[in-house]
Amino acid sequence: GENVEQHPSTLSVQEGDSAVIKCTYSDSASNYFPWYKQELGKGPQLIIDIRSNVGEKKDQRIAVTLNKTAKHFSLHITETQPEDSAVYFCAASKSSNTGKLIFGQGTTLQVKP
Amino acid sequence: GAGVSQTPSNKVTEKGKYVELRCDPISGHTALYWYRQSLGQGPEFLIYFQGTGAADDSGLPNDRFFAVRPEGSVSTLKIQRTERGDSAVYLCASSFGATNTEAFFGQGTRLTVV
Repeated sequence: GENVEQHPSTLSVQEGDSAVIKCTYSDSASNYFPWYKQELGKGPQLIIDIRSNVGEKKDQRIAVTLNKTAKHFSLHITETQPEDSAVYFCAASKSSNTGKLIFGQGTTLQVKP
Repeated sequence: GAGVSQTPSNKVTEKGKYVELRCDPISGHTALYWYRQSLGQGPEFLIYFQGTGAADDSGLPNDRFFAVRPEGSVSTLKIQRTERGDSAVYLCASSFGATNTEAFFGQGTRLTVV
């Protein structure tokens, strides 16, 4: 069935360093790729998304890249801050129903001050 | 607040009991989704409503799980004869429509079956 693989499962960086999280998806019909941040005891919150007609998207310290051919997409966080510490999930869906998401397994990011 | 609201925040029930979990979506959002998140995992899709009707229930694990949305707003997820394996966080999300729109998640209901 449809699947999204996410790596790494845990990531520890020093404050100010960059963090990169990578995902691959199996369903070539997927064309919407959001990234969610989930803090302890809270629901996932959308931080950035990308659609398949775009290769890269940036929002301040966060960027996402998409390689449709390889079915890879990545999240890049620059100048990390302690408040970036959380669990990050990638997901994939189709534009016909963008809320029906296949999630990756999550990456626990720890930013050390 | 204007976000997705889920009640209760926590629910502890005994094995074999029936439980109901409630979701209040963002006002005006026609699409509503239920997800289940086990410890250390990503959320897994359960069911999708467009208005009052369940348009896609392909993620419901078995017939002990059922959800309704009678007036196209509030939704209730119902679990019969609960099992310990049902323990998880149940998340609700809503969006303005189903196509090309962001899904907003609630904080979830943590269900523990003892």
